Formats: sequence, C-alpha cells, structure tokens
Amino acid sequence: QTVVTQEPSFSVSPGGTVTLTCGLSSGSVSTSYYPSWYQLTPGQAPRTLISNTNTRSSGVPDRFSGSILGNKAALTIAGAQADDESHYYCVLYMGSGIVVFGGGTKLTVL
Amino acid sequence: QVTLRESGPALVKPTQTLTLTCTFSGFSLSTTGMCVSWIRQPPGKALEWLALIDWDDDKYYSTSLKTRLTISTDTSKNQVVLTMTNMDPVDTATYYCARTRWLQPGYYFEYWGQGTLVTVSS
Repeated sequence: QTVVTQEPSFSVSPGGTVTLTCGLSSGSVSTSYYPSWYQLTPGQAPRTLISNTNTRSSGVPDRFSGSILGNKAALTIAGAQADDESHYYCVLYMGSGIVVFGGGTKLTVL
Repeated sequence: QVTLRESGPALVKPTQTLTLTCTFSGFSLSTTGMCVSWIRQPPGKALEWLALIDWDDDKYYSTSLKTRLTISTDTSKNQVVLTMTNMDPVDTATYYCARTRWLQPGYYFEYWGQGTLVTVSS
C-alpha cells in the first residue's frame, strides 16, 4: 500500500520561509497526482490552500504557493506569521477515484 | 455562499452502525464536476479520506474501509448520507464532509463543514 509522506514537524522563524514536502513511499510525485494542501487548526474547519499542484484557493494569501520540487509536491510559506502555526496536510490522487492524505506536518512559528 | 453541516450521533456503541448526514447549501450536486466527500480525523491522528459521491451518482470508497461504508445522496433534500457498519472504538473521530471539485481525473476538497465528533464506546 502506497504511503504519502510528510515531515512530522517543522519550525520557522517569524518572517522566514519554509517549504513542506509531500512524497510517496515508492515513486515520485508529479502533477498527475493532483496534489492539494490543507491547513488544519484546532477548533476550526479545515482550510483549503492549494489545489492541482499550484492553484491557490480564493482568499489564500500569495505567500502560500505550491509546486513540484524534485520528486515531491511542495508547499512554500513565505513571510511566516504567527497564525500560520498549524497542521498542514497534503492529498494525492491515486487513480480510480481514490485519494490518500499524508500524515500531516505540524508547523511551529517561533 | 457554500455551507456544509454534519449531523449524527455523538456516541455509538461498538458493533453498531453509524449514520451521518451532510446537509449542504449554495450548490447543486447535480452540477457536472460537483461531488461531496467524507473525511475523518481520529484524536491526535491524521486526516483520512473515506468516500466520495459525484454528480453522476458514482461512488468511491477508501480501499481499507470500503466493505463497511455506504455513501448516498438525497438531492431533493441537499443531503449526503454516510453509513459505517460495525463501529469500533478505533473509529472514534471527528467526521467532516466537504464539497469536492472534480478536476478530471483528480479532485480536491473545496469547502469543508465544521465536523462532528463521534465517540465509539460501550
């Protein structure tokens, strides 16, 4: 069974830039996996950040961007702010109507 | 304005069947490209996709849970229902429904409900 991998945790300084990645236990991520990214903050509904690799959702600031870096999907947050401290999840489309979530990355801003 | 709201029992007993309802507004599930998905998050764990129903009434299920899940829709009521049989304490989770946009062939979760916590305990 294919596992979608994410860094368990990451830390960034306020104002800094961080890149979170989303990979596969076997193989490379490409645009054909339609990677999407979501922010999950306790007590709030999940927020959709990026779809289809690099399409920013309405209302998401342009300091959030998506891409393919090497063999992984990536979410880059520039100019990190305190309220970016959250959990971030990627989703990959596996075909036949099936998607798989990554394990999530806990981002700390300090 | 798109809204989704999950409803169902907060507590179920082991072996029982869970029935959750997603009531939505602001879109029609009959529109090409529109879908609704169910996703869950056990306490302290990652999100997990469960099922999707699309505008053509096609249904897709998580490989690991497909024998226990049924997704259906009542378009007249703007509702999507998920049933999960043989509930176990490991199924304790917050269950979300999400409007899902089909990208042909991929898709993504566009709008989310607030979620509903279901606890499985005797």
